[in-house]
Amino acid sequence: RKEVEQDPGPFNVPEGATVAFNCTYSNSASQSFFWYRQDCRKEPKLLMSVYSSGNEDGRFTAQLNRASQYISLLIRDSKLSDSATYLCVVNLQGGKLIFGQGTELSVKP
Amino acid sequence: DTGVSQDPRHKITKRGQNVTFRCDPISEHNRLYWYRQTLGQGPEFLTYFQNEAQLEKSRLLSDRFSAERPKGSFSTLEIQRTEQGDSAMYLCAGQVNTEAFFGQGTRLTVV
Repeated sequence: RKEVEQDPGPFNVPEGATVAFNCTYSNSASQSFFWYRQDCRKEPKLLMSVYSSGNEDGRFTAQLNRASQYISLLIRDSKLSDSATYLCVVNLQGGKLIFGQGTELSVKP
Repeated sequence: DTGVSQDPRHKITKRGQNVTFRCDPISEHNRLYWYRQTLGQGPEFLTYFQNEAQLEKSRLLSDRFSAERPKGSFSTLEIQRTEQGDSAMYLCAGQVNTEAFFGQGTRLTVV
């Protein structure tokens, strides 16, 4: 079993749609959680950290369920510029960062 | 600007040659990571440092790969006797607190 698993997609959605990405992790001792965004042939960039109480940044909402070892990212009112690959990242106890394989999002006009 | 720079940005080498990549984080990045990424996959963990100490090296790495971070500042990743399967993007990330920031990567092509 992979340490961090994501649905690879692709997710093809129209502009304005709401889209949700899910991620599961296997190590219950994981301490910190993040979503990164990666554009084609570019480096990953930090989108947002994920807190236990859930957190929101504009159109983006992240949720964490420690009991189920599950992380989600919700994008509301999607824009063409949201098209990218979204990477779920888990910081294992001791500090190693582990990435999921990424979920590709394509927002169409 | 994440403050992490990598050099070179692109490297084409013949199979069997050795290559070395460099990563320069900012001084606040006490942790430094190396990842490898191929098309359609997420970044694959290679190794990481806490200051100058190498804390872990992936079991996926063969002995042809070695990394150093002398004095806890810049880091180098060396691949000896390159193989075509080594062709990938090699990413370096610096971490301050819990958040990690990537350099633009070095794209290696082994021909």
